[in-house]
Amino acid sequence: ILNVEQSPQSLHVQEGDSTNFTCSFPSSNFYALHWYRWETAKSPEALFVMTLNGDEKKKGRISATLNTKEGYSYLYIKGSQPEDSATYLCAFQAGGTSYGKLTFGQGTILTVHP
Amino acid sequence: SAVISQKPSRDICQRGTSLTIQCQVDSQVTMMFWYRQQPGQSLTLIATANQGSEATYESGFVIDKFPISRPNLTFSTLTVSNMSPEDSSIYLCSGSWGGRNTEAFFGQGTRLTVV
Repeated sequence: ILNVEQSPQSLHVQEGDSTNFTCSFPSSNFYALHWYRWETAKSPEALFVMTLNGDEKKKGRISATLNTKEGYSYLYIKGSQPEDSATYLCAFQAGGTSYGKLTFGQGTILTVHP
Repeated sequence: SAVISQKPSRDICQRGTSLTIQCQVDSQVTMMFWYRQQPGQSLTLIATANQGSEATYESGFVIDKFPISRPNLTFSTLTVSNMSPEDSSIYLCSGSWGGRNTEAFFGQGTRLTVV
């Protein structure tokens, strides 16, 4: 059983604060690490797919880093806005016969207060 | 990515009944999957929906309880059979074209409550 863990489980910040979340995953049989943003009653939205150790990706105020050797990824949000409030999910994609399947963490629920 | 239309968005069902959830993709997609999120838990893979053949189920999930169809590359259904309150969850379908740098895309989810 693959173990993907996210921390913290929830986070309350004030508008303008910067914040970060952690995703830990198995360091063996690594294929890709995904980040998604999920708002209630909407489809999860892809943020990043990361494949290489040391990868850093950025989309607007959101960025992510990847360390496959130690099995962790960080997601950063700079200058949080109320519209950033959502659940942030990471998902581990293993290689081999697990092709295409994702193992999700429990998610970090972010609430940004105006 | 593609757009998946999933319905119903929510339902309240009596125990012992069955509910079929549908997902329609706006383009042909290589792979489709069904996930479940029970309250307070992670999204968990139920099965891979295979076009024209039986779905491949993950450990702990069986075809009699969660029959899945995928008649073509744009459509799939999941039935939750003989429901009990433990089946109350969000059910999510997902698609992917495969490949290492390829993101998955998702339906809007079905929030099921069994009473």
